[in-house]
Amino acid sequence: DTEVTQTPKHLVMGMTNKKSLKCEQHMGHRAMYWYKQKAKKPPELMFVYSYEKLSINESVPSRFSPECPNSSLLNLHLHALQPEDSALYLCASSQGQGVTGANVLTFGAGSRLTVL
Amino acid sequence: GQNIDQPTEMTATEGAIVQINCTYQTSGFNGLFWYQQHAGEAPTFLSYNVLDGLEEKGRFSSFLSRSKGYSYLLLKELQMKDSASYLCAVRDRGSSNTGKLIFGQGTTLQVKP
Repeated sequence: DTEVTQTPKHLVMGMTNKKSLKCEQHMGHRAMYWYKQKAKKPPELMFVYSYEKLSINESVPSRFSPECPNSSLLNLHLHALQPEDSALYLCASSQGQGVTGANVLTFGAGSRLTVL
Repeated sequence: GQNIDQPTEMTATEGAIVQINCTYQTSGFNGLFWYQQHAGEAPTFLSYNVLDGLEEKGRFSSFLSRSKGYSYLLLKELQMKDSASYLCAVRDRGSSNTGKLIFGQGTTLQVKP
């Protein structure tokens, strides 16, 4: 299995809703990432988990709450979002987060979020 | 801080060769990656350079000069399916020797018949 699976593919939510995005990989990767991508812009790093511990939070607003229940799963809990949070949310994983070796990121297909 | 520059758009003809340049400034360089992203799809890995020189992989080659903060992606024998966005990304060595991948704005390549 060489894939990162993200669900749902599309999500529409109101500003008062609570929803979650899910990500799963079975490649034995120990680092997992959330990126946010707006139209015609590059992916922007949000969070990194390494060995199930949060290692990087790029000053993301608290209305986004990541969770890593185990080494294969990564969730992003959403609450009280704003319309400007509408974007493609990409999950990625890599063997590790270290700087030795390539540690290539494998991306999922993304969850397209629309906040009304 | 970090800064990654690449052209916004390029156009090339099917069967031709195109070179996409990327310049970067970073405090803790630890590798440069090229990704391809088709519209509405996930980025897919193309190449990785950490030492100076050329890495060749089929129709795609990537070059790195660390002293100049410069890389390019060379695509040969262009095909229509190569129309996509090409993202240059630099891994920055952060605290605790962990890596953080930062993407440039991306170059949208249009291949014409």
